[in-house]
Amino acid sequence: DAEITQSPRHKITETGRQVTLACHQTWNHNNMFWYRQDLGHGLRLIHYSYGVQDTNKGEVSDGYSVSRSNTEDLPLTLESAASSQTSVYFCASSFQAGGGSTQYFGPGTRLTVL
Amino acid sequence: DQQVKQNSPSLSVQEGRISILNCDYTNSMFDYFLWYKKYPAEGPTFLISISSIKDKNEDGRFTVFLNKSAKHLSLHIVPSQPGDSAVYFCAANAVIAGNMLTFGGGTRLMVKP
Repeated sequence: DAEITQSPRHKITETGRQVTLACHQTWNHNNMFWYRQDLGHGLRLIHYSYGVQDTNKGEVSDGYSVSRSNTEDLPLTLESAASSQTSVYFCASSFQAGGGSTQYFGPGTRLTVL
Repeated sequence: DQQVKQNSPSLSVQEGRISILNCDYTNSMFDYFLWYKKYPAEGPTFLISISSIKDKNEDGRFTVFLNKSAKHLSLHIVPSQPGDSAVYFCAANAVIAGNMLTFGGGTRLMVKP
């Protein structure tokens, strides 16, 4: 069955370290997204991609970067982790090029920055 | 400034009764709305959606109502079941702007047996 996976599921790191969270989907979806979930804020968009070599900044992109070298993967990199980036991170994907398309989410990665 | 708001952080209902979850939005460009359900330690799962050309969409026990003039939507669950206990997120999309979603803060629903 097609799916979307995230790894690792849990990560503890130290301030200043570079961290990469993986997202892999087997639906062959063009669109991929990264969100963070914080209490009281719901899910906030970090970065998104509408296809290979395409990346765009979302609402809370500072301190994060993504790259899209193939259809299946959109890794999220924290260049220099900060305690404010302690959160739960969700990857999502969708097929339709335009709006009005349902996004399907991965199981999440809980990141703690000490 | 939150463009999508869920003003009730939590809601408790008795099994078999109706659950009504509310969502308000401020951006008049939003024209597609979704509800997601989230269990602890899992990703959000899609529940139901509605386009702005409709005012109601029904799927089994779940119905979403949209009031465009009030910029308000609601999710009705009838009858509520203990397995419905989860956090529910409202999300909005401006179709012309692409596939990005703006989420509300979520409402934790507890259905008591």
